[in-house]
Amino acid sequence: ETGVTQSPTHLIKTRGQQVTLRCSSQSGHNTVSWYQQALGQGPQFIFQYYREEENGRGNFPPRFSGLQFPNYSSELNVNALELDDSALYLCASRLGTEETQYFGPGTRLLVL
Amino acid sequence: QKEVEQNSGPLSVPEGAIASLNCTYSDRGSQSFFWYRQYSGKSPELIMFIYSNGDKEDGRFTAQLNKASQYVSLLIRDSQPSDSATYLCAVNTGNTPLVFGKGTRLSVIA
Repeated sequence: ETGVTQSPTHLIKTRGQQVTLRCSSQSGHNTVSWYQQALGQGPQFIFQYYREEENGRGNFPPRFSGLQFPNYSSELNVNALELDDSALYLCASRLGTEETQYFGPGTRLLVL
Repeated sequence: QKEVEQNSGPLSVPEGAIASLNCTYSDRGSQSFFWYRQYSGKSPELIMFIYSNGDKEDGRFTAQLNKASQYVSLLIRDSQPSDSATYLCAVNTGNTPLVFGKGTRLSVIA
């Protein structure tokens, strides 16, 4: 157990809808990163938050957005869902600039 | 574009044998190297990390790093069927996000 939780575990949406995924980090872990893992691929970096501000972003369009809250929880929002957004979404937390990241169990999103 | 390359496998080894998983990376500035294990349908689980050239051992696992060759490997001794999973290599530089390979699928045959 990494102490990182995510909800929901599974989700089915239709194309064009919006979705919010949630993550609760380990206590004290003020850096959270979100990754998208398509089937058969490695995780791809979406963005990172440190002390409630985005401080890094991967090659994802603006319809992917996020928030981090003072209680170490965070959200990933995806607007205008596309079929290719179907994937496992992972959040990973760490303390400050420590390099070891701990992953939550993930949310599997299916877009129909 | 930072890239991490892994052979997708599957790599099949008999129970009790040594499994050798390999990874190459493109960014010479990479500083930290991680191996994650991912069972089907689950999230990645950190096995070990290495920062310096040479070998690092942890139980049945040994990570090997050669920065000159931009190569990192993971050896699993006395492989068990429970080691059957996808192994992800990841690298980063300081506070940058992890860059993952696509993973190598390992199958340990009883």
